[in-house]
Amino acid sequence: AQSVTQLGSHVSVSEGALVLLRCNYSSSVPPYLFWYVQYPNQGLQLLLKYTSAATLVKGINGFEAEFKKSETSFHLTKPSAHMSDAAEYFCAVSDLAGTASKLTFGTGTRLQVTL
Amino acid sequence: NAGVTQTPKFRILKIGQSMTLQCTQDMNHNYMYWYRQDPGMGLKLIYYSVGAGITDKGEVPNGYNVSRSTTEDFPLRLELAAPSQTSVYFCASGLSTGNTIYFGEGSWLTVV
Repeated sequence: AQSVTQLGSHVSVSEGALVLLRCNYSSSVPPYLFWYVQYPNQGLQLLLKYTSAATLVKGINGFEAEFKKSETSFHLTKPSAHMSDAAEYFCAVSDLAGTASKLTFGTGTRLQVTL
Repeated sequence: NAGVTQTPKFRILKIGQSMTLQCTQDMNHNYMYWYRQDPGMGLKLIYYSVGAGITDKGEVPNGYNVSRSTTEDFPLRLELAAPSQTSVYFCASGLSTGNTIYFGEGSWLTVV
């Protein structure tokens, strides 16, 4: 069975500061990993995904994530936070051994950006 | 681009009532999913489908039913609504294993 753990349900950073959202996964097979962002009262939008190619993945809005197999981690970073980054972020893992590409989500991290 | 479209966006149900959440996608995706999102709990998979005529249970299927008569549509039916089904429901679709899954904008359901 696969699972995802997101450390920190709330993260607050100042505008211009580094954003670091943590995600650790558990999977019995090589995983595909995803970060989604959810703005208030909206659906989920894909930020980036890891699909066993390059371990450093660049996504939209200046976000990137690094797959570290030894640490079973897929942390999301952005060098400089912007007010518009305030949202909820979900890490998810897809079990490629299954036939339906089902996503298992973490519980989410709410990012607050302050002036 | 319509993508994944869900209706209704908001609904209040009384305990014991039934309703259907509609979901349609125009991307010719084989895979479709229904998730529910509860505060602090992330998203939980209710049902999924790998193609027309094929559906299967996810993590939290009790109290729900689905059908997949066409590639485009994947309605979710709630029978005998209960307060525990108060949640935000998301429909999603994807092309194949490992590919991006696209989400609808959600349906807010309250059972009173």
